[in-house]
Amino acid sequence: EVQLVESGGGLVQPGGSLRLSCAASGFTFSSYAMSWVRQAPGKGLEWVSAISGSGGSTYYADSVKGRFTISRDNSRNTLYLQMNSLRAEDAALYFCAKRYCSGARCYSGADHWGQGTLVTVSS
Amino acid sequence: QSALTQPASVSGSPGQSITISCTGTSSDVGGYNYVSWYQQHPGRVPKLMIYDVSNRPSGVSNRFSGSKSGNTASLTVSGLQAEDEADYYCSSYTSSSTYVFGTGTKVTVL
Repeated sequence: EVQLVESGGGLVQPGGSLRLSCAASGFTFSSYAMSWVRQAPGKGLEWVSAISGSGGSTYYADSVKGRFTISRDNSRNTLYLQMNSLRAEDAALYFCAKRYCSGARCYSGADHWGQGTLVTVSS
Repeated sequence: QSALTQPASVSGSPGQSITISCTGTSSDVGGYNYVSWYQQHPGRVPKLMIYDVSNRPSGVSNRFSGSKSGNTASLTVSGLQAEDEADYYCSSYTSSSTYVFGTGTKVTVL
């Protein structure tokens, strides 16, 4: 069974840093691209970042580019999101999500999501 | 990377069909057949309902179907059921090699 468990959220002051983790199990982690998606309380989904299975390619939303860094440790089956220079508008529930693949092909969309970890940015 | 435009709310009676639109640009929805749709019930994580415009993952009811015309993608829910009441989000790949979500649509079953 695929499981994604996020951790690392919490309360941080504006300008501060936080590192989120997503522990994966139940699938060959290194074979799948992974993403971070966030959702502010009562708001919609916002795509944040993605990384290829090897970790060699990374992608960011304009809203976080230059402040957030996505990475992965395939030996530990863990995805990370280093968040620096945090702003009030970064406060949200952060989900990690696994890209949907079937057989040898991968498709748009994420078929498994973690429960999320909450980031609060406040002084 | 502006969010894709969805109607804020759509409603229908049980058994009816509803359609949710998702409007983007030629740099996202119109440029690629990489539109997906998610269902999110309150307090739950999103569930993938449609991938690559019109394909359903295994286990998703065939009452859900997707299509695209130009810069607008659509999700149709046929035979509306009480359990379909939820928020729905579209998502598209973009020319910047990123993804963008829609603004979200609240579906109400009357």
